[in-house]
Amino acid sequence: AQTVTQSQPEMSVQEAETVTLSCTYDTSESDYYLFWYKQPPSRQMILVIRQEAYKQQNATENRFSVNFQKAAKSFSLKISDSQLGDAAMYFCAYYGKTDKLIFGTGTRLQVFP
Amino acid sequence: KAGVTQTPRYLIKTRGQQVTLSCSPISGHRSVSWYQQTPGQGLQFLFEYFSETQRNKGNFPGRFSGRQFSNSRSEMNVSTLELGDSALYLCASSVGTDHNQPQHFGDGTRLSIL
Repeated sequence: AQTVTQSQPEMSVQEAETVTLSCTYDTSESDYYLFWYKQPPSRQMILVIRQEAYKQQNATENRFSVNFQKAAKSFSLKISDSQLGDAAMYFCAYYGKTDKLIFGTGTRLQVFP
Repeated sequence: KAGVTQTPRYLIKTRGQQVTLSCSPISGHRSVSWYQQTPGQGLQFLFEYFSETQRNKGNFPGRFSGRQFSNSRSEMNVSTLELGDSALYLCASSVGTDHNQPQHFGDGTRLSIL
């Protein structure tokens, strides 16, 4: 069975600085998708970025980028130029042949002015 | 385009009762998935519906059921409520079942069992 591990329950960053959130996963599949979702206090899960396993190039969405290391089964999220609005819970998720999102336990990100 | 709409936003029930939660997907989306979020267990997949058929199911007891209507709206029902059912229930929709289609989430229904 696939598992997703987020080893950092909490992280903090100063406004305008860069922070990296870690995620590792375990799978025997070769074709899958990885996602980072953000959940602010408003509760809605918002898709931040996604990565297709067959693509070697790391995905980027504005200030958000990932470091995808397929062999190491690692999928970290880098947030550049952090803003107060980035404060939220961040969930790493895996989507493979089971056709369901498997989430990590989340990392709470605090952003200080 | 309106997002995923879940109603009600909050719900308080007592043990033994049953509850029905509603989810209206984004227009044009035909797949609806349900998740339970608790502090202890995190986010867990409940089930997925596509074209009015349950396509996938997580590891939850039979007290948890759902259905999808012809307009893609979905309902989730929990019978004989237990204290442990207190959770945030999230609904997500996607265009189809292709892995390439990202899921879009609603704001959730916060269910509290007294």
